[in-house]
Amino acid sequence: DGGITQSPKYLFRKEGQNVTLSCEQNLNHDAMYWYRQDPGQGLRLIYYSQIVNDFQKGDIAEGYSVSREKKESFPLTVTSAQKNPTAFYLCASRDRDSPLHFGNGTRLTVT
Amino acid sequence: GQQLNQSPQSMFIQEGEDVSMNCTSSSIFNTWLWYKQDPGEGPVLLIALYKAGELTSNGRLTAQFGITRKDSFLNISASIPSDVGIYFCAGQIRGAGSYQLTFGKGTKLSVIP
Repeated sequence: DGGITQSPKYLFRKEGQNVTLSCEQNLNHDAMYWYRQDPGQGLRLIYYSQIVNDFQKGDIAEGYSVSREKKESFPLTVTSAQKNPTAFYLCASRDRDSPLHFGNGTRLTVT
Repeated sequence: GQQLNQSPQSMFIQEGEDVSMNCTSSSIFNTWLWYKQDPGEGPVLLIALYKAGELTSNGRLTAQFGITRKDSFLNISASIPSDVGIYFCAGQIRGAGSYQLTFGKGTKLSVIP
């Protein structure tokens, strides 16, 4: 079955540590996205990538970094510079002009 | 940036009732999307609308793309307990290399059996 896999489902880290969230898709989609979701908020765009080796900042990129070395993979690193990293993180992908498909998310808790 | 106003923010309804929610925008979109998110899961696409005035159904769900291209609504008929979740609208400008969507803040639906 084609889809988007995010791992792990739950992640716990100590403050001051960087952490990397995995996102893999086998849908052969060109574009991939990372969103952050907080309670009562909509989805806020962190980074997106339209093709391999290229990515752009979204609305809330500060404190995050990404890479796109392979078409199927778009990992997100939450750095220690991110002031409020605890959130639900959603990865998504799409082809040109097609709707966004989402993964099942990673809940990150930083204490 | 573009803003989407989604209302209502939350709804409590009795099982069997119909539900209506909508999104309005200050900007024009050429695609409207409606997603549902279950707790702890990623959003799942319910309906995609591509033409102004388009009315599309998916089972008990019906969505319309407003004539002005600045709004859309979603109706759920005869609600059941599994309709519980958060419903998001999203507006998109297709073409011209644009890959970004604008999301509403969601409508949280609770169904009382």
